[in-house]
Amino acid sequence: AQSVTQLDSQVPVFEEAPVELRCNYSSSVSVYLFWYVQYPNQGLQLLLKYLSGSTLVKSINGFEAEFNKSQTSFHLRKPSVHISDTAEYFCAVSDRGGSYIPTFGRGTSLIVHP
Amino acid sequence: NAGVMQNPRHLVRRRGQEARLRCSPVKGHSHVYWYRQLPEEGLKFMVYLQKENIIDESGMPKERFSAEFPKEGPSILRIQQVVRGDSAAYFCASSPTEGNYNEQFFGPGTRLTVL
Repeated sequence: AQSVTQLDSQVPVFEEAPVELRCNYSSSVSVYLFWYVQYPNQGLQLLLKYLSGSTLVKSINGFEAEFNKSQTSFHLRKPSVHISDTAEYFCAVSDRGGSYIPTFGRGTSLIVHP
Repeated sequence: NAGVMQNPRHLVRRRGQEARLRCSPVKGHSHVYWYRQLPEEGLKFMVYLQKENIIDESGMPKERFSAEFPKEGPSILRIQQVVRGDSAAYFCASSPTEGNYNEQFFGPGTRLTVL
């Protein structure tokens, strides 16, 4: 069994500022890690994922996340946010050798102010 | 390419009525997952189905809830005798293969309100 903790329920930032959304997980086995984004009244979209290999993974719209095994973290970062990044962000984890069904965190609401 | 489709997008029911939520997966996907999202919470897994089979229903409440994914047609999540606590957003996701990792594609959700 695994769990995901997103420490911040809401993160307000100004446009063009950097942002970090924190995610910590616990699991007794090796994991896959994901970040999903949910825009208002829409379903979740996969933003980026860590499966294996390089611990730094990047999305096409400037987000990146780094898998830190020793700290059991997968924080999401962006050096300069846009108004359009305002959304709910969910971190998720699934076991490599067990259940293929991801466990989601409670979500972090990113609010970008002009 | 149509993604995962869910209908209705919004559903209002009175206590004691039945709610039927429909999900059409991405064309060619044979695996469907249902999740429930309560306010201020993340997604909670409910059930995983393949065509005509329930694979994992460990997240389904024991009573009033049922799901199916028939050979033809959409997957249906059925909630009988709804109560106010059933008010939530229900999301369906589909994937093409099973295994240790498979990307799930999510629908826009059905927002159920129980009066």
